[in-house]
Amino acid sequence: EAGVTQSPTHLIKTRGQQATLRCSPISGHTSVYWYQQALGLGLQFLLWYDEGEERNRGNFPPRFSGRQFPNYSSELNVNALELEDSALYLCASRKSPNTGELFFGEGSRLTVL
Amino acid sequence: EDQVTQSPEALRLQEGESSSLNCSYTVSGLRGLFWYRQDPGKGPEFLFTLYSAGEEKEKERLKATLTKKESFLHITAPKPEDSATYLCAVQEGGYSTLTFGKGTMLLVSP
Repeated sequence: EAGVTQSPTHLIKTRGQQATLRCSPISGHTSVYWYQQALGLGLQFLLWYDEGEERNRGNFPPRFSGRQFPNYSSELNVNALELEDSALYLCASRKSPNTGELFFGEGSRLTVL
Repeated sequence: EDQVTQSPEALRLQEGESSSLNCSYTVSGLRGLFWYRQDPGKGPEFLFTLYSAGEEKEKERLKATLTKKESFLHITAPKPEDSATYLCAVQEGGYSTLTFGKGTMLLVSP
């Protein structure tokens, strides 16, 4: 069974540009979570999608947004990139929206120059 | 105040030297406590879920335990391949998201 897949693996952008990151959950999982892991800061919750709807968002500005598609895959968009957006962006999926463990992908490394 | 605090921040062990990592939490109505292992530049790999005080789970050289205020990850006779960052996360009742601690970086020397 395939795990959570994320693309691209690495992405380099300049300040002010937009970045789009993609995630495919484990088959049968309907909930997708996005986390940011900046250097020295641990995993910070960004967004949660379930059944195509945004269910919750973390303490991040509105320029962080995303969506979930009918096949449960998801994309994260970051507009007006700032230097401090450089981080590893992790996507996770979960079989049930409220219980059980999250399964993570390998992440997308975003570097903003 | 952080909801999840892990200690120590870093730990260096000799191969075979057993030790424990600590995760203390302050959430009310714990719905689950999760342990993950993360290798550099990789996504976290799920290890254990604990749901209630007194619960224990084991996997190879790792054993996780849970009390009402903290969890321990015991590492018995570690090997160099156990070197990684170990992350603890909690799910509070009424919420779906997991809140993570900053992790303990473990280095096991041969």
